[in-house]
Amino acid sequence: EAGVVQSPRYKIIEKKQPVAFWCNPISGHNTLYWYLQNLGQGPELLIRYENEEAVDDSQLPKDRFSAERLKGVDSTLKIQPAELGDSAVYLCASSFQGGGTDTQYFGPGTRLTVL
Amino acid sequence: KQEVTQIPAALSVPEGENLVLNCSFTDSAIYNLQWFRQDPGKGLTSLLLIQSSQREQTSGRLNASLDKSSGRSTLYIAASQPGDSATYLCAVIQGGSEKLVFGKGTKLTVNP
Repeated sequence: EAGVVQSPRYKIIEKKQPVAFWCNPISGHNTLYWYLQNLGQGPELLIRYENEEAVDDSQLPKDRFSAERLKGVDSTLKIQPAELGDSAVYLCASSFQGGGTDTQYFGPGTRLTVL
Repeated sequence: KQEVTQIPAALSVPEGENLVLNCSFTDSAIYNLQWFRQDPGKGLTSLLLIQSSQREQTSGRLNASLDKSSGRSTLYIAASQPGDSATYLCAVIQGGSEKLVFGKGTKLTVNP
């Protein structure tokens, strides 16, 4: 069974440029999560989707970050414009039905460097 | 606000040693607790999930315990191997939320 797929794996951009990350969850998983992981820290949730609906985006900096999950499958996370402090690893995870009881499966992440 | 603390931040042991990693959380109203492993430059791999009603879970050489009332969990690794070297993260899901709250992790090095 294929795991959570993310692309690109690495991205280097200059500040003020836009950037987008893509995630394909495990087939059949209804719940999708985007996490931000700074160096030496645990991941922090940015947004959670149940199918197409963003049910928890309270941690998403909406002035520059946006996300979508069309058709309830793949998801894209965008930053525009990027700032130096956005350098981090962006992790996507999925679970079968959420509800707080399911295991979350993580992708390999996208490492973003903003120069 | 839920806070998760992991001690120690780093641990270095010789191969074959049994070891314990510690995790504590401030709010005992949790749905479950998960232990993850993270290798450098890679995502997280779920090792064990303990539901709030359970006391422990075992998988191979790994055993995780949960004492919800005291806000503590331990991950026991038996007969450690160099391949166990990684960062181990503890995370809880708060009751009424589906958000995983992570600790900062324990970086484990097992020396041959």
